Amino acid sequence: EPEVTQTPSHQVTQMGQEVILRCVPISNHLYFYWYRQILGQKVEFLVSFYNNEISEKSEIFDDQFSVERPDGSNFTLKIRSTKLEDSAMYFCASSELSPRGGSSPLHFGNGTRLTVT
Amino acid sequence: AQTVTQSQPEMSVQEAETVTLSCTYDTSESDYYLFWYKQPPSRQMILVIRQEAYKQQNATENRFSVNFQKAAKSFSLKISDSQLGDAAMYFCAYRRKGGLHRHQETSGSRLTFGEGTQLTVNP
Repeated sequence: EPEVTQTPSHQVTQMGQEVILRCVPISNHLYFYWYRQILGQKVEFLVSFYNNEISEKSEIFDDQFSVERPDGSNFTLKIRSTKLEDSAMYFCASSELSPRGGSSPLHFGNGTRLTVT
Repeated sequence: AQTVTQSQPEMSVQEAETVTLSCTYDTSESDYYLFWYKQPPSRQMILVIRQEAYKQQNATENRFSVNFQKAAKSFSLKISDSQLGDAAMYFCAYRRKGGLHRHQETSGSRLTFGEGTQLTVNP
């Protein structure tokens, strides 16, 4: 079964540095998402992406964050000038076009654990 | 804004027994989708079951079933014949219907998650 893959599985960075989290969505999916989960807290929506542009973003997704689909397979989340509170698990997800009357489920990757020191 | 609440931070069940996890939500929409996701220690998010709000029949998926009470805005998950592999964090989630691209229902719209319930299965 096709999977969403994320790299790296764990990223450690110093405060103020920039990080890029990488994701390869399922190949025939058209919608891409980033979520984050701070340790012990709920999973929070960051952004959704369709047709090479942001569809929706949350209040968390400020100017510090950006997303990009640099080629036909990768989907990246860039965090500029990381802060301690950016430490979290970051999940990438993708979904296909919804069939009429249905809801295409989100398929999640295994996550990237980001630690900011 | 939609909210999802899971009032049970932790639950435990004996192997082979049945357990019910609670979830309530708040929305002004009349049509939407509800989901339960499982997050084992590996941290992957795995879809367990989903329910479409316009369908009165409760969804079932093998040992997993839901009790969807639309008027009460309640969406509980029942796990029958619990197995050790069911031990995980379980998240209830809501997704509105009619996303930004209205010709494709819910396409691209966000999932709103509850706080999660940590399920322990005792041998």
